[in-house]
Amino acid sequence: DTEVTQTPKHLVMGMTNKKSLKCEQHMGHRAMYWYKQKAKKPPELMFVYSYEKLSINESVPSRFSPECPNSSLLNLHLHALQPEDSALYLCASSQVDLMVAKQPQHFGDGTRLSIL
Amino acid sequence: DAKTTQPPSMDCAEGRAANLPCNHSTISGNEYVYWYRQIHSQGPQYIIHGLKNNETNEMASLIITEDRKSSTLILPHATLRDTAVYYCIVRGLTDKLIFGTGTRLQVFP
Repeated sequence: DTEVTQTPKHLVMGMTNKKSLKCEQHMGHRAMYWYKQKAKKPPELMFVYSYEKLSINESVPSRFSPECPNSSLLNLHLHALQPEDSALYLCASSQVDLMVAKQPQHFGDGTRLSIL
Repeated sequence: DAKTTQPPSMDCAEGRAANLPCNHSTISGNEYVYWYRQIHSQGPQYIIHGLKNNETNEMASLIITEDRKSSTLILPHATLRDTAVYYCIVRGLTDKLIFGTGTRLQVFP
């Protein structure tokens, strides 16, 4: 069982819809991440939040809007998505440390998103 | 962060040790070697990481060569539930995990 919980597990939406993905962790981690994984490909980093502030945006289109309302929650707001945005969206969290390389990231099981 | 090279696929008989190799010839001194696996329809699962010394935990052992240019993940007694894609990642002083294409391990009865 994962300690990072993502909801919903599956989402189907049209290109004009607005929806949100939610991620929650209660491990006291202060870094949270969004990844995108296309079928048969490895995960790719989208965003990093550290202490509830956006620290990395990997040139993600503005139709994806992340939000970190508190230290336990991470949202990804979706608007006007394209069919090519269909993918598995993964959330992860980790401790924050000066030696950041030492802290493993813990992943949820993702939200499988389909854009019609 | 340094890139890694892994074989695309491997087979292993149930109960035998699975030895998964990884080359990271451009690794620098402050970069860690991480291993994750991803079972079908699940998120990546952290397995183990190390800097220069060999490491062991309840899931696996990590053997890093003295020059740190390669490493091997060892699952001592593979089970069918170990069938997954295994990712070797080299990570420096950054929040980024850059996944390569990984090794698809198939454990057979």
